[in-house]
Amino acid sequence: DTAVSQTPKYLVTQMGNDKSIKCEQNLGHDTMYWYKQDSKKFLKIMFSYNNKELIINETVPNRFSPKSPDKAHLNLHINSLELGDSAVYFCASSPPARMSYGYTFGSGTRLTVV
Amino acid sequence: AQTVTQSQPEMSVQEAETVTLSCTYDTSESDYYLFWYKQPPSRQMILVIRQEAYKQQNATENRFSVNFQKAAKSFSLKISDSQLGDAAMYFCAYRSLRTGTASKLTFGTGTRLQVTL
Repeated sequence: DTAVSQTPKYLVTQMGNDKSIKCEQNLGHDTMYWYKQDSKKFLKIMFSYNNKELIINETVPNRFSPKSPDKAHLNLHINSLELGDSAVYFCASSPPARMSYGYTFGSGTRLTVV
Repeated sequence: AQTVTQSQPEMSVQEAETVTLSCTYDTSESDYYLFWYKQPPSRQMILVIRQEAYKQQNATENRFSVNFQKAAKSFSLKISDSQLGDAAMYFCAYRSLRTGTASKLTFGTGTRLQVTL
């Protein structure tokens, strides 16, 4: 069983469209994240939820809206897609920081906006 | 805010040789965790090794070991007996023990490791 699964793995869409990426974890972790990896491979956090509560919201356009229906799921909805949104988006989950474990990542979603 | 710096964009090593990837970080905290992640062409993020700042002993995982210098805020990764499968991007990362906004994993810019025959 995949610990953190995100779908779809690839997404090609036109500018102006709205799309969603889904993420589910079966590790029992309380905290989930969305990271964006740009074309230079830099990984930057976008959002974090802890038990369905938003705890991190970095400087991200409000076209991006995370939704966490329960602590095992964290979806990312993107409105009015732009060319600059093309990137790989990673979902991740983790136990509390004091437990010293790193994050477990999903396999990523490569979003291409044309 | 914490920052993580990887000053080597690319490194190359011959198969069976040893290579060291550098990482420095900036923090005012005394307790934190440090990690090395590997990202092969498959783009999966794989945890290679982790180090708790309160531990003086350097972490080791098979052919992977770290040199953790807390005072110098340095956290290098040594790969021994390099294999073709080690070719990947390697990311150094920092995580605070604090909760909330501070609990995020902060990554360096990565080092691309090439392994040659």
